[in-house]
Amino acid sequence: DAGITQSPRHKVTETGTPVTLRCHQTENHRYMYWYRQDPGHGLRLIHYSYGVKDTDKGEVSDGYSVSRSKTEDFLLTLESATSSQTSVYFCAISETGRTGELFFGEGSRLTVL
Amino acid sequence: RKEVEQDPGPFNVPEGATVAFNCTYSNSASQSFFWYRQDCRKEPKLLMSVYSSGNEDGRFTAQLNRASQYISLLIRDSKLSDSATYLCVVNMNTGNQFYFGTGTSLTVIP
Repeated sequence: DAGITQSPRHKVTETGTPVTLRCHQTENHRYMYWYRQDPGHGLRLIHYSYGVKDTDKGEVSDGYSVSRSKTEDFLLTLESATSSQTSVYFCAISETGRTGELFFGEGSRLTVL
Repeated sequence: RKEVEQDPGPFNVPEGATVAFNCTYSNSASQSFFWYRQDCRKEPKLLMSVYSSGNEDGRFTAQLNRASQYISLLIRDSKLSDSATYLCVVNMNTGNQFYFGTGTSLTVIP
């Protein structure tokens, strides 16, 4: 299995609080992604990174920010969590991006009350 | 319109049956195609890549039809362990973004 870990795995928080999810990889892959998965919507891309300090928005980026200061770490921040951000968040990595497969972390389950 | 569309199912089939899933994509310039499998409350894992010439891996066969913009997955001799959600994934030629279908749920019944 690809060396990719997410933390925390479970979190319950209140509306308006900041939340940071961390994705850590040991594969030295260039591309890293944050997805959210919700019933009826499948996996939707929030943000992705194609290198250190190089990031871009996905289809559902509003309310989220990301940072990648090292190859191995990709952080997803919810500046002020809302109930609509209750979801399962998956980090994924890819060595080659466009043609390569994605390897996923185990997911982080976030509940915003 | 969604970039990738799948029939959500559920498909309930007896052991030993053959089942087929289809998926359509909207961007004709899409480059790469995959089928992922996701077990309940787990992360998605690659089942197989899909090539223009079609490819087979044991009981699983994947086909790509670029003219009609659809991808198929055929599972022969279904096993109980095949019960999962199958996700169609497409990489558009607009950057390094992978787009997922909503998934098709399969339950294989004894």
